[in-house]
Amino acid sequence: KQEVTQIPAALSVPEGENLVLNCSFTDSAIYNLQWFRQDPGKGLTSLLLIQSSQREQTSGRLNASLDKSSGRSTLYIAASQPGDSATYLCAVGADRGSTLGRLYFGRGTQLTVWP
Amino acid sequence: GAGVSQSPSNKVTEKGKDVELRCDPISGHTALYWYRQSLGQGLEFLIYFQGNSAPDKSGLPSDRFSAERTGGSVSTLTIQRTQQEDSAVYLCASSFGGRADTQYFGPGTRLTVL
Repeated sequence: KQEVTQIPAALSVPEGENLVLNCSFTDSAIYNLQWFRQDPGKGLTSLLLIQSSQREQTSGRLNASLDKSSGRSTLYIAASQPGDSATYLCAVGADRGSTLGRLYFGRGTQLTVWP
Repeated sequence: GAGVSQSPSNKVTEKGKDVELRCDPISGHTALYWYRQSLGQGLEFLIYFQGNSAPDKSGLPSDRFSAERTGGSVSTLTIQRTQQEDSAVYLCASSFGGRADTQYFGPGTRLTVL
C-alpha cells in the first residue's frame, strides 16, 4: 500500500522567508502528484498538479518538483506571507489497475507565517 | 461558477442512528469522490464514482457505509448504525474527467457521534 510522509509536521516562520515542504512516497508507480492547501474548517484547494512524466510545476510564488524514482516531492514557497498560513497536503495518484488515479494523502505540514 | 457543495456542514447524532450526507459536485464533472478525515489521521479515500457507477469502493470501512449517485450529479453517503469512531470530517470532491484530473473539494461535513 502506498504510504505518503510529509516533513516537517509543523513549521513556524517570519514573513518573507523562503520555505521548503517535503513529501515522500513509498511506491514510485504513481500517475500524478498534487499539492493541496487546507484552511481551518474548510475543504482542500488544489495548488499544483504534476503528472508523473513532469519534473516540476510553477504557479506564482509556488514551485513543486517531483523525483519519481526516489519517491520525493518538494513544495517551494517563495517570500512567504501571513496569508500562506494553512495546512499543506501532498497526495499521490496511484498508477495501478482499478486504483488508477486514487489519491493517497500525507498528514500534512501545518504552516504558520507571522508578520 | 459554483464549487462543490456539501450538506449539512455539521451533524451531531447519537450512536446507533443513521445519517445521510449530501454532495453536489461541480456541474459537468463526471467523477465524484468521498474522503474521510479523522482527528489525527490523514485523509482516507472512501469511494469513487464515474457517472452513476462506483468502480472503486474499496475504501468503505464497513458494510454500514454505502453511497449512491443519481443522474450523474448528486451523491449521498449513508452511514447506518453510527459508531463513535465514525466521527470525522467527510469531504467530497469532483473532477471533470477521470481520476487523474485535478480534484476540487467541498467544505466538508463534520460528523459527531455522541
